[in-house]
Amino acid sequence: DAGVIQSPRHEVTEMGQEVTLRCKPISGHDYLFWYRQTMMRGLELLIYFNNNVPIDDSGMPEDRFSAKMPNASFSTLKIQPSEPRDSAVYFCASSFVQVAYNEQFFGPGTRLTVL
Amino acid sequence: AQTVTQSQPEMSVQEAETVTLSCTYDTSESDYYLFWYKQPPSRQMILVIRQEAYKQQNATENRFSVNFQKAAKSFSLKISDSQLGDAAMYFCAYRPTRGTSYGKLTFGQGTILTVHP
Repeated sequence: DAGVIQSPRHEVTEMGQEVTLRCKPISGHDYLFWYRQTMMRGLELLIYFNNNVPIDDSGMPEDRFSAKMPNASFSTLKIQPSEPRDSAVYFCASSFVQVAYNEQFFGPGTRLTVL
Repeated sequence: AQTVTQSQPEMSVQEAETVTLSCTYDTSESDYYLFWYKQPPSRQMILVIRQEAYKQQNATENRFSVNFQKAAKSFSLKISDSQLGDAAMYFCAYRPTRGTSYGKLTFGQGTILTVHP
């Protein structure tokens, strides 16, 4: 299996621009998670889905952030408009509830820089 | 709300020696899962070891073992025979087995481990 795939791996954009991060979970997994990692705040859960349905979006920082999961194989995290404080590494992870421990497998992350 | 605390921002160890990373957590649940993840400079998050709360026996994975003290809500990671490749940020994480937060991982702040040759 290819693991969780994220694209792009690096994104540099200017303040005010729209940014879209993409994630392909491991085939067959029924949970998908979006995390943000910064030096100041550590690893934060932004939102997670179960069977393509958002379950908890309480970690989404503000209305500029939105996430979708149109099917079991694809999810996006969009920031519009982007701001310099959004600069971070964004991780996507997936898991399968039927597996013991429901282990989360992480993608390689997208490093976002907003100038 | 559940919280996870790693009180050691940084630790160092000599190659081939043993080091212990600390983690405490707060929960009112009786059953839950605990994890240690490793994040090397490549930033890939790698699962190191896991423990289910109702299991008395401490988990072991090769050179990695845990000391799980349920009453004290403590979950430390011991790395034996440390290797240069163990240098990374280590995160402790908690996940409930039921309820509205099922599936959701809560991470500690992380501990940076340096391994000296």
